Amino acid sequence: EAAVTQSPRNKVAVTGGKVTLSCNQTNNHNNMYWYRQDTGHGLRLIHYSYGAGSTEKGDIPDGYKASRPSQENFSLILELATPSQTSVYFCASGDAWVQDTQYFGPGTRLLVL
Amino acid sequence: QQKVQQSPESLTVSEGAMASLNCTFSDGTSNNFRWYRQHSAKGLEVLVSIFSDGEKEEGRFTAHLNRANLHVSLHIREPQPSDSAVYLCAVSMLMDSNYQLIWGSGTKLIIKP
Repeated sequence: EAAVTQSPRNKVAVTGGKVTLSCNQTNNHNNMYWYRQDTGHGLRLIHYSYGAGSTEKGDIPDGYKASRPSQENFSLILELATPSQTSVYFCASGDAWVQDTQYFGPGTRLLVL
Repeated sequence: QQKVQQSPESLTVSEGAMASLNCTFSDGTSNNFRWYRQHSAKGLEVLVSIFSDGEKEEGRFTAHLNRANLHVSLHIREPQPSDSAVYLCAVSMLMDSNYQLIWGSGTKLIIKP
């Protein structure tokens, strides 16, 4: 069974609306990550977490918040969605900070109109 | 200036012929390299991890690392149409006293039957 799951898989939102993307992992990994993937940019790190209760800013955190209420769950929150946040979002989990393999979810395709 | 660059952007190979993908990086002190594969509309899966100069084989996938030349490659033996996907190189680099994971933009591989 998939060890990292994301919901929803597809989302259409309106500009200015609030969007919450959810991620669940059953790997029991300490670290979790949120990336966005856009053509020509590869994967860019938005937020990450070392464990329950921790959230840290990645390379492109502006316009995003994150929440890690438990070891298993990590959410990405867009308080005021903008069209520039239209993208594919991936969640990943890993045991050690960047030195370890990351295991990815299937992605969420977000369209902000 | 991208710290991790992949080439070619796109590659078409006949089924059964060797497929070779390239990744160059800017920091010769990097010591942690991974190749991931991403099938269309799906998450990433790790193929090979390599940490020292030389060769690392995982089934039909072989990574070659030459840090003096700032180069890591992926060779796919006897590729099949199911290997058609985007291949991403990920390099762990020391930046601002912390390790960061830097991703390439990917090579789109098409295997022709």
